[in-house]
Amino acid sequence: GESVGLHLPTLSVQEGDNSIINCAYSNSASDYFIWYKQESGKGPQFIIDIRSNMDKRQGQRVTVLLNKTVKHLSLQIAATQPGDSAVYFCAELRNTGNQFYFGTGTSLTVIP
Amino acid sequence: GAVVSQHPSRVICKSGTSVKIECRSLDFQATTMFWYRQFPKKSLMLMATSNEGSKATYEQGVEKDKFLINHASLTLSTLTVTSAHPEDSSFYICSAQTALDGKLFFGSGTQLSVL
Repeated sequence: GESVGLHLPTLSVQEGDNSIINCAYSNSASDYFIWYKQESGKGPQFIIDIRSNMDKRQGQRVTVLLNKTVKHLSLQIAATQPGDSAVYFCAELRNTGNQFYFGTGTSLTVIP
Repeated sequence: GAVVSQHPSRVICKSGTSVKIECRSLDFQATTMFWYRQFPKKSLMLMATSNEGSKATYEQGVEKDKFLINHASLTLSTLTVTSAHPEDSSFYICSAQTALDGKLFFGSGTQLSVL
């Protein structure tokens, strides 16, 4: 079946390094993507979004890249900090409706 | 960003009682609100989709008589877990989609523990 999945379930990085979290999707009808950060015991927090008419979008310390050819989405976090430790997951909205589909998530651990 | 308020954040109840969870969009109107369950270290599991003024659409396997959803206004949706049992213990999260641009924002979640 179709799914939104992440390549790596866990990721550890040194404080100050850049982090890259990947997400693969399989439905070419998806046209809107969002990255969320979820800390333990809390609801997901909106980080950044991107629509299918773009291939890159930047926020504060974060960049999302979209490669529609290979159906791949990535979240780059610059100068990773201990406060960035959390589970990150992507969500895709398929243009056939208002339904969001979520990936399993990648647990990011920042090593001081 | 937009704020979604979810209340209560934690509830402990006895088996057989009902629990109501509220989800409010504080500074925007939400065309659609969603309810999820989440188990430890797992992704979100969509339970139902609700639109203001209409009946909720439940995902396969979710009992609509067990999980009552009311979406009375463009800023409020409630989930009532009726006759709760220990297996209903979970982290419940709501989300709201903005009418303006379709972005999705989440509440802070409710940890339900049924004794």
